[in-house]
Amino acid sequence: DQQVKQNSPSLSVQEGRISILNCDYTNSMFDYFLWYKKYPAEGPTFLISISSIKDKNEDGRFTVFLNKSAKHLSLHIVPSQPGDSAVYFCAASAVSSGSSNTGKLIFGQGTTLQVKP
Amino acid sequence: EAQVTQNPRYLITVTGKKLTVTCSQNMNHEYMSWYRQDPGLGLRQIYYSMNVEVTDKGDVPEGYKVSRKEKRNFPLILESPSPNQTSLYFCASTLDGRTDTQYFGPGTRLTVL
Repeated sequence: DQQVKQNSPSLSVQEGRISILNCDYTNSMFDYFLWYKKYPAEGPTFLISISSIKDKNEDGRFTVFLNKSAKHLSLHIVPSQPGDSAVYFCAASAVSSGSSNTGKLIFGQGTTLQVKP
Repeated sequence: EAQVTQNPRYLITVTGKKLTVTCSQNMNHEYMSWYRQDPGLGLRQIYYSMNVEVTDKGDVPEGYKVSRKEKRNFPLILESPSPNQTSLYFCASTLDGRTDTQYFGPGTRLTVL
């Protein structure tokens, strides 16, 4: 049972345009959401996160939007650059579950973004 | 430089031959985890450790063992590897369990024939 889903395996956009990556989740206990970026032959690196008490978090060119009623989040990259070409993973955790914080993340399948010059 | 290292980076082995993938972090982190990445499934947690001598199962622990005898090291052991353990493995660490401070190693690509 995939609790975090990224239904688009790939996305191609032109340099300078907006990239929108989508993620859906099913577990209503998730209260913290993250996006990780992964280049080939490297481990994932943290990009941006959002707590469930917010609906938007912005960091430079990256903005994450959270729609709790729809159990949906999205990552917007504006403007997109060729260096943004990578695999993007959406992840979720339930840090306030009352149990010990295990640092556990539930990941989506990933979306490969290609930004064309 | 703060980092998580894994060795080996690439490994081809045969069914049933015991192997160990090492993981080490130099950030004095309490929490460490192992994940495997498979096409169409994202990353799934295998085991995690909250401190020395404290480990617990993640979502896909079958066929794996771990140990945490020192804070910096968290080896992943496959006692009798099988072809369904062919995957890309990542070790990760975090100071206080907060997920946005999680650091990942570069990955180990394992092929079991």
